[in-house]
Amino acid sequence: SQKIEQNSEALNIQEGKTATLTCNYTNYSPAYLQWYRQDPGRGPVFLLLIRENEKEKRKERLKVTFDTTLKQSLFHITASQPADSATYLCALDLSYGQNFVFGPGTRLSVLP
Amino acid sequence: EAQVTQNPRYLITVTGKKLTVTCSQNMNHEYMSWYRQDPGLGLRQIYYSMNVEVTDKGDVPEGYKVSRKEKRNFPLILESPSPNQTSLYFCASSPNFARISTDTQYFGPGTRLTVL
Repeated sequence: SQKIEQNSEALNIQEGKTATLTCNYTNYSPAYLQWYRQDPGRGPVFLLLIRENEKEKRKERLKVTFDTTLKQSLFHITASQPADSATYLCALDLSYGQNFVFGPGTRLSVLP
Repeated sequence: EAQVTQNPRYLITVTGKKLTVTCSQNMNHEYMSWYRQDPGLGLRQIYYSMNVEVTDKGDVPEGYKVSRKEKRNFPLILESPSPNQTSLYFCASSPNFARISTDTQYFGPGTRLTVL
C-alpha cells in the first residue's frame, strides 16, 4: 500500500543544535518533494522544494536531501532557534503540480 | 496584500444541512485546491482546479462538490454534511498548475468545521 511517514510526531532539541526531520514514503514515485512549516491555527507555509534528480537543496539555515533509492528525504535546520518551533510537513508532488500527498507532520520544539 | 481568504473560519452545523465554505485569492492564480487536515492523517487533497471551469477530484472527494466559475473563487460545497466531515479545511492557490512544482502553494488560514 502507499504510505508517507515522518519520523516522529514530536521532536525536542536544544537551541543551537541541528534539527533533522525525516520523511519516508513507499509505493510512490514523486517528481518533486516539498517541505512546509505550519504554526498552530495557521495554514502551511512553503519552505523548500527538491526535484527527483537533485540530491540536496539549501536555503539559509535549511537543507533538504532527497534519496529516491531509499525513498527518503531529510530536512535539516542548523543553528536552531526557538522561533523554529512549529510542525513541519513533507509533501510529495505525484503529477507535476496536480496531485499532492502530505505526511502527517513532525512537531518540532526548540528549547532555549 | 497577496492572500488566500476563507470564510467562515469556524462553523458548527448539524448533519444534513447544506453548507458552503468560500475561498478567494487576489493573486490571479490559475490553480486552486482544497484540503482537509485530520490528526495523524496529514493534509488530504479533496478537489483541485487548474483553471476556470476545470476541476478534478483529489484523494478524498466523496461528499464534497466544488465549482470554479471565476478565477479568484473556489467554493467548497457540502450538500449533506456528516460527522465524519468534521475537520480543518484549507484552500490553496498557485500561479499555474504547470509551474506549481517549481512555485509555491499559498494556503489560506483554514476553516474549522464541526458537524454534529
